[in-house]
Amino acid sequence: DAKTTQPPSMDCAEGRAANLPCNHSTISGNEYVYWYRQIHSQGPQYIIHGLKNNETNEMASLIITEDRKSSTLILPHATLRDTAVYYCIVRVAVEIGGKLIFGQGTELSVKP
Amino acid sequence: NAGVTQTPKFRVLKTGQSMTLLCAQDMNHEYMYWYRQDPGMGLRLIHYSVGEGTTAKGEVPDGYNVSRLKKQNFLLGLESAAPSQTSVYFCASSYSSSLGELFFGEGSRLTVL
Repeated sequence: DAKTTQPPSMDCAEGRAANLPCNHSTISGNEYVYWYRQIHSQGPQYIIHGLKNNETNEMASLIITEDRKSSTLILPHATLRDTAVYYCIVRVAVEIGGKLIFGQGTELSVKP
Repeated sequence: NAGVTQTPKFRVLKTGQSMTLLCAQDMNHEYMYWYRQDPGMGLRLIHYSVGEGTTAKGEVPDGYNVSRLKKQNFLLGLESAAPSQTSVYFCASSYSSSLGELFFGEGSRLTVL
C-alpha cells in the first residue's frame, strides 16, 4: 500500500470550511483513498473514500488531484464536534484481508 | 443494533498473565480486524480474519493469537502479557475487503504492569 503524508496538526474556526491535505505520491492505479477520523478515546469513524473522481456525502467532500498524488478532505462547515484526528489511507480495493494501515494522521482543532 | 462490541473495556494485568479480548459484531460481516493504538503510532494492524475459521497476521502480530470460531466473534489472546503490550485495542469489522468501510468498536484499554 502507498504511504501517505499528512500535516500533524491544523486549526479551523467554527463554521468555516476545514481543508485537510494528504500527499500520496506513490499511489498505484488500483488504490483508493480513504478518510477516517477518531474523536478522542473513541473508535475510528469512516468518513469517505474515492478512486479518482471527487466524492461528496453528508459528512464531507473528497477532492483528488488529476494525477492522484494528493487529495483534500473538506468539512464544509466545521463544528466543535469535528475536533478529532483525521487519517488518510490508501489501499488496494480488492485485497485479500482488506487491511487498512493507519498512519499518524492530522489532529484538527476546531475553535470557537 | 449494537454494531461492534468489545469486552472488557478496561483491564490491568501483571507481566506473564494471560487474557482474552472478545469482539462481537451483529452486522453479519465477513471481515474482522484487531488493531492496537499507541501514542504517536496511529493504529497498527495486529491480526485479521477474512471469514469464519480463518485468521492472518497483520503488521504487529508477535505476542498475540487470534481465533474466529464463529462468524460474529473475533478473539484476541495474550498468552504471556508484557509491559510493551500496554495499549488501547480496537476491533473492527467490514462486509467485504473491497471498498468496505470499517466499523470500529469503542476500544479496550489494557495495562500490563
